[in-house]
Amino acid sequence: KAGVTQTPRYLIKTRGQQVTLSCSPISGHRSVSWYQQTPGQGLQFLFEYFSETQRNKGNFPGRFSGRQFSNSRSEMNVSTLELGDSALYLCASRPDLSGNTIYFGEGSWLTVV
Amino acid sequence: GNSVTQMEGPVTLSEEAFLTINCTYTATGYPSLFWYVQYPGEGLQLLLKATKADDKGSNKGFEATYRKETTSFHLEKGSVQVSDSAVYFCALLPRENFNKFYFGSGTKLNVKP
Repeated sequence: KAGVTQTPRYLIKTRGQQVTLSCSPISGHRSVSWYQQTPGQGLQFLFEYFSETQRNKGNFPGRFSGRQFSNSRSEMNVSTLELGDSALYLCASRPDLSGNTIYFGEGSWLTVV
Repeated sequence: GNSVTQMEGPVTLSEEAFLTINCTYTATGYPSLFWYVQYPGEGLQLLLKATKADDKGSNKGFEATYRKETTSFHLEKGSVQVSDSAVYFCALLPRENFNKFYFGSGTKLNVKP
C-alpha cells in the first residue's frame, strides 16, 4: 500500500510569490492534515480536511489556505511568501476523523529567498 | 486545554546506553498517546502508541507506558544504537469529536559509536 505522497519535495521561491503544495493520502484515507515544521517553532498544525471540508484550523494567517478534492487529494497554498515561511511542510492522512493514528509523508521543503 | 511537554534536547548518548525521553501532557479526559520518530530528511513515522491508562506501547526495543496518575508517557530503550539517532515527538489525540493531534516540540537524540 503506497504511503502519503507529497510533491514537490524541494522548492525555492522568492518573497512575494505564491506556492502550491500537493498531497496524496494513503489509499482509502479521507482525512488530510497539514503541518509546518521549523527549527524554532517545532511542528505546528495548519489545518485538516475531510470530505472536501476544512474541519480543524490552526493559528496561521489567511495567506495559508488549503483545499481537498473529491478523490481526497489535498493542496495547500501560501500566498505573498515571506522569508519566515521557509519550512518543511508535512502532510498526514488518516482514514477518517475518528482515526487514532496519522501517517505522514516525507514533506515538502520550501525555501523563500 | 490540550498540550504536550517534552524534555529539551539534544540528548547525546553512547551506543548501548539506556535512553529515557520524558513526556508529560495536559488533556481533557483520557487521550490516546503516541511517539513519532523523524530521521534526518524524512517525515514523521509512528513509533508506538497507547490508547488507555496503563497500556504499554512498544516497538523496535522502545517502550512507553501510559501513566494517568502522573500524566506522563516517557519513552525508554534499554540499549540505543547509532541508527536510533533522530528527533522524537510525543503527541496526544483527545477523545472528542473532530479532534486533532497535539505534538510536543521534539527531542533530538544523538547516539555516538
